[in-house]
Amino acid sequence: AQKVTQAQTEISVVEKEDVTLDCVYETRDTTYYLFWYKQPPSGELVFLIRRNSFDEQNEISGRYSWNFQKSTSSFNFTITASQVVDSAVYFCALTYGREYGNKLVFGAGTILRVKS
Amino acid sequence: DGGITQSPKYLFRKEGQNVTLSCEQNLNHDAMYWYRQDPGQGLRLIYYSQIVNDFQKGDIAEGYSVSREKKESFPLTVTSAQKNPTAFYLCASTKGSIVQPQHFGDGTRLSIL
Repeated sequence: AQKVTQAQTEISVVEKEDVTLDCVYETRDTTYYLFWYKQPPSGELVFLIRRNSFDEQNEISGRYSWNFQKSTSSFNFTITASQVVDSAVYFCALTYGREYGNKLVFGAGTILRVKS
Repeated sequence: DGGITQSPKYLFRKEGQNVTLSCEQNLNHDAMYWYRQDPGQGLRLIYYSQIVNDFQKGDIAEGYSVSREKKESFPLTVTSAQKNPTAFYLCASTKGSIVQPQHFGDGTRLSIL
C-alpha cells in the first residue's frame, strides 16, 4: 500500500538557517508522482512542486530545492536562508496510478517554525 | 480569479444534527475531493468525485455523505453517525489528470457544541 512518512514532527530554526524536511515514501507502482504542499496559518494548502517517478533531477526554485532519490525512496525539501514567512506546516504527498482515481496520500506533515 | 470557495469558515454542530459543508470551484476542474485534517495526522481522504453524478468513498467515509449534481459543486454532509466530527475539512479539485496538482480551498473548521 502507498505510504508517506515525514518523521520530523516539528522543526525550529533561527532566521537565515538552512533547513531540510524529510519525506520517505512506499509504493509498489512503477509510475507515481510526488508533491510538496505548504499550509500557512490561514489553512489552505499551497502547491510547491510535483515530481514524477521517471525524473530524478533535483530542482531549485529560488530558496527552495528538492532532492529526489528513488534508491532510498526519498523526496527531501530544503529551504536555504529560511525566513519567518516560511513558518508553516509542510506536507509531502504521493499519488496513485490512474486506476485509483488520482488520489493523494499525505504524510503527517512537518511544522516549521522560523524565529527572527 | 478562479479558485475554490469553502463555506462556512467555522461551523458548530449539536448532538444528533447533520451539517453540510459547501465547496464550489470555478476552475472548470473535473475531479473534486474532501479531506479531513486532524492534528498530527495529515490529511485523510473522505470522498472523491471524478465526474458529475459519480463519487467514491475514500479512506474514512463512514458518517459522511456527498453529492455531485453540478461540476462546480461538491457538498459534504457530516451526519449524526459521525461520532467524532471535530476537525478541519478541506476541499480540493483537479483537472483530473494524474499529472495535475490538486488545488485547495481555505477549509472549514467544524466543532461540537
